[in-house]
Amino acid sequence: NAGVIQTPRHKVTGKGQEATLWCEPISGHSAVFWYRQTIVQGLEFLTYFRNQAPIDDSGMPKERFSAQMPNQSHSTLKIQSTQPQDSAVYLCASSFGTGGAMAEQFFGPGTRLTVL
Amino acid sequence: GDSVTQTEGLVTVTEGLPVKLNCTYQTTYLTIAFFWYVQYLNEAPQVLLKSSTDNKRTEHQGFHATLHKSSSSFHLQKSSAQLSDSALYYCAGGDSNNRIFFGDGTQLVVKP
Repeated sequence: NAGVIQTPRHKVTGKGQEATLWCEPISGHSAVFWYRQTIVQGLEFLTYFRNQAPIDDSGMPKERFSAQMPNQSHSTLKIQSTQPQDSAVYLCASSFGTGGAMAEQFFGPGTRLTVL
Repeated sequence: GDSVTQTEGLVTVTEGLPVKLNCTYQTTYLTIAFFWYVQYLNEAPQVLLKSSTDNKRTEHQGFHATLHKSSSSFHLQKSSAQLSDSALYYCAGGDSNNRIFFGDGTQLVVKP
């Protein structure tokens, strides 16, 4: 079985440009989670969806960041007007069943975003 | 709000000796689950252990942890550390209110 798929694996953008990151959860998984990881901040929770509905976006920066899950096979994280401080590895994870936040998560390989 | 505290940012241990990574938490919810995720260099985090049952020991790959709700702890232990255990370890919790909370992570370095 394929794991969580994230594309692209690496993305370089110029300051002020938009970046869209894609995540394909494991087939049959009902929840998708987004995280940001940096050396300084560690792993930061951003948002999560269950059955495509947004459940908790408490970690999302209020400006420039948005996430969607238009169907059960993919989710996107969009960053508008990227800034150098947005440079990080963005991780997507999915989980199975109705456990929601209490279910174990399977992480994708991440997208390394570099903003010049 | 909910939070997880991992007191050590870095733990260094000699191969073959026991190791303990601390994890304590704060939450107002009684229905909770806790996890240890391990992240090897240049890889994604993966679940190592999970527990939602009070006072029940859970084991995997030589590691073990017990969720103690009375002391709000979920420490990770191994009796004999191996070089291959060197990695970043995250303690994480999830509650019935759909909140997720991760600790800051503990870097484990096992030396020969």
